Amino acid sequence: QQPVQSPQAVILREGEDAVINCSSSKALYSVHWYRQKHGEAPVFLMILLKGGEQKGHEKISASFNEKKQQSSLYLTASQLSYSGTYFCGTEVAGGTSYGKLTFGQGTILTVHP
Amino acid sequence: KAGVTQTPRYLIKTRGQQVTLSCSPISGHRSVSWYQQTPGQGLQFLFEYFSETQRNKGNFPGRFSGRQFSNSRSEMNVSTLELGDSALYLCASSLSQRTGQYFGPGTRLTVT
Repeated sequence: QQPVQSPQAVILREGEDAVINCSSSKALYSVHWYRQKHGEAPVFLMILLKGGEQKGHEKISASFNEKKQQSSLYLTASQLSYSGTYFCGTEVAGGTSYGKLTFGQGTILTVHP
Repeated sequence: KAGVTQTPRYLIKTRGQQVTLSCSPISGHRSVSWYQQTPGQGLQFLFEYFSETQRNKGNFPGRFSGRQFSNSRSEMNVSTLELGDSALYLCASSLSQRTGQYFGPGTRLTVT
């Protein structure tokens, strides 16, 4: 099943913070976060792995609760360039999900001056 | 390093035709995944290749197929095109299962 993202949309003023959540009903090996701007390809932000390892851009932070199969992306001191649609992509645990990401429906983030 | 490249960027085809899309991964990346993106269904996984072997396949009909070459470049083919195949087709490459996937700009396919 598709992971569920919340909220579906959020509007911010520059400098404000936001949290985007991603929840899965399956045991996960990893959670990926991407940002997609209109007409462009998704851009990799962060990967969080089972066991606590995470890799990504310095200015992005996220968490992964393995017990609840939930991840959150934290956007602090937002900038205009943060606007776009944020997707989480999940990889199911079990060793057979190579390269297969199941994406949430997306969260539209709009940052105003 | 050069990013993921996809060709062509735009394609218009007629129902019943077939189409081949190409993807060149980032140098050194051996895993290539393909996704279909539509406004209604979002981003959906098609298949993944590693070292010329398909390791995973999504829930798409057999009309959708792919392959990977020894230089890690990948192609996907859609036969007997239907109107519903109109979508943005994205490929993504990765170094390993423990790193992120890097997407190409996509191929916008329109079926008329």
